[in-house]
Amino acid sequence: DQQVKQNSPSLSVQEGRISILNCDYTNSMFDYFLWYKKYPAEGPTFLISISSIKDKNEDGRFTVFLNKSAKHLSLHIVPSQPGDSAVYFCAARHMNYGGSQGNLIFGKGTKLSVKP
Amino acid sequence: DGGITQSPKYLFRKEGQNVTLSCEQNLNHDAMYWYRQDPGQGLRLIYYSQIVNDFQKGDIAEGYSVSREKKESFPLTVTSAQKNPTAFYLCASSLEGAYGYTFGSGTRLTVV
Repeated sequence: DQQVKQNSPSLSVQEGRISILNCDYTNSMFDYFLWYKKYPAEGPTFLISISSIKDKNEDGRFTVFLNKSAKHLSLHIVPSQPGDSAVYFCAARHMNYGGSQGNLIFGKGTKLSVKP
Repeated sequence: DGGITQSPKYLFRKEGQNVTLSCEQNLNHDAMYWYRQDPGQGLRLIYYSQIVNDFQKGDIAEGYSVSREKKESFPLTVTSAQKNPTAFYLCASSLEGAYGYTFGSGTRLTVV
């Protein structure tokens, strides 16, 4: 039972355009969401996060939007650059931190390709 | 520089052999985690430890074992009981109550 879903395994966009990566979740007890970026043969690195009390968080070219009623979040990258080509993982954390519930739950990832 | 180090980067194992993957962190993080990444599968949790001398099974613990004798170290042993061990293994750590993880650079294990 997947609690965090990234339904698009891959996405291809042109350099300079907007990239939109989507993530859906099923557990209403998640209170914090993160995006990680991963290059091949490397560990994921933290990109941006958002608390469930907000609906938007922006950091430079990266913006994450949260729609709690739809249990949906999205990552916008504007403008997209070839160096953004990587796998992006969405992750969520349960509000009752402690024990197994405190662990991050990851989606399966979306591979973004930004073409020059 | 603080960080989390996984070694080796590449590891080859013969079928039937146990192998241990190293994970060391000097971030003073309380919790440590092992994930496995397979194509199209995302990150799947193998084991985690929130405190020294204590660890818990994750979603796919069968065929793996861990120890947490020191705060800085969380080695993962892939045993011969693991039926499909070829994968990319990631170690991570976090502070108690923190919202995110710091990941190591991973170990690619190949069974030959």
